[in-house]
Amino acid sequence: DSGVTQTPKHLITATGQRVTLRCSPRSGDLSVYWYQQSLDQGLQFLIQYYNGEERAKGNILERFSAQQFPDLHSELNLSSLELGDSALYFCASSVYRGTDTQYFGPGTRLTVL
Amino acid sequence: AQTVTQSQPEMSVQEAETVTLSCTYDTSESDYYLFWYKQPPSRQMILVIRQEAYKQQNATENRFSVNFQKAAKSFSLKISDSQLGDAAMYFCAYRGSNTGNQFYFGTGTSLTVIP
Repeated sequence: DSGVTQTPKHLITATGQRVTLRCSPRSGDLSVYWYQQSLDQGLQFLIQYYNGEERAKGNILERFSAQQFPDLHSELNLSSLELGDSALYFCASSVYRGTDTQYFGPGTRLTVL
Repeated sequence: AQTVTQSQPEMSVQEAETVTLSCTYDTSESDYYLFWYKQPPSRQMILVIRQEAYKQQNATENRFSVNFQKAAKSFSLKISDSQLGDAAMYFCAYRGSNTGNQFYFGTGTSLTVIP
């Protein structure tokens, strides 16, 4: 158990809908990262937040957005969902200083029908 | 942008034998960190081992060790005494000191352990 929690574990929805994925980082970690892993693919970095502020942006679609709240939990919002958005979405957290190892949550599996 | 290359999409090893997974990376930075993550069928991403570029000594964690060749930009993972539970997808990752905190992942190597 990495200490990073993600909810829900599974999510099934229809095209055109909007969903919110939630992540709680490890205690003491200030940085949160979101990744997308499509079937049999590597991890694509989406976005990073540090202490409530956006720090880095990767291949995140305009239909996707994220935020980090004062209690450091983060939410990833996916809207106007398409079939191709079906994937495993990981959240990871790190302290942001030092070796900055990222510890991953168990992921949310999103299925868009 | 930094790139991480894993040239072996699939590897297999006999139980109790040793296997080496390859990883190369491209960077102009002198200070960075390298990681190997394991993703078993449960899909959980698990940190296996970490190497700081400024350290010449290769990192070791029990049966897992790395061969870090900084000049060659190579970072291979050696698994000794392979066990059935080692079967997983293995991802190599890079984090630079000047690239914020963004990790760059390779495409992964699927390891099969043969009983």
